[in-house]
Amino acid sequence: NAGVTQTPKFQVLKTGQSMTLQCAQDMNHNSMYWYRQDPGMGLRLIYYSASEGTTDKGEVPNGYNVSRLNKREFSLRLESAAPSQTSVYFCASTQERAMNTEAFFGQGTRLTVV
Amino acid sequence: DAKTTQPNSMESNEEEPVHLPCNHSTISGTDYIHWYRQLPSQGPEYVIHGLTSNVNNRMASLAIAEDRKSSTLILHRATLRDAAVYYCILRSITSGTYKYIFGTGTRLKVLA
Repeated sequence: NAGVTQTPKFQVLKTGQSMTLQCAQDMNHNSMYWYRQDPGMGLRLIYYSASEGTTDKGEVPNGYNVSRLNKREFSLRLESAAPSQTSVYFCASTQERAMNTEAFFGQGTRLTVV
Repeated sequence: DAKTTQPNSMESNEEEPVHLPCNHSTISGTDYIHWYRQLPSQGPEYVIHGLTSNVNNRMASLAIAEDRKSSTLILHRATLRDAAVYYCILRSITSGTYKYIFGTGTRLKVLA
């Protein structure tokens, strides 16, 4: 099983460039999440999608946009990258309203903005 | 969102039990207590979760205080592969939003 797949794994951007981080899950989960993790820190929630067609802001949404393209895919877009957005980005998914509420995380996208 | 407090770091000897504490004094009656761990250079992985009663699975045990204001993750025999950052998270089922809010976690070092 692939689980949660993130692409790309590594990316270097120049300040002001845009890019989209892709996330796909094959577990038929309803909810998906985007987190960022700065060095030595815990994960901070950027955006989440409780179900297909809905998205909501998390703790640190500024500078990001998201799209829940379908049930499988949840993308994160940086319109104008800034050095402060250098981080490791994790996508996660979970099946809500189920007894087993385990969340599955991708392996991360390491983004550097220079 | 209710917050959790964990020690920044802990050490354990290999093959000894490890007790990782978590305080969550503002927990509400419907918040589930979840534990995840993050191995170096990997995404977090699920360890265990519970509501009121103690829970056991193949990875660990979760002991929940009677007043639910604290919990303890128990690794029965630590191995070198258990060296990771362990996160204690509260997850509400009534808010309509099922987001996980991570704290800074406890970095567990296992000594050979």
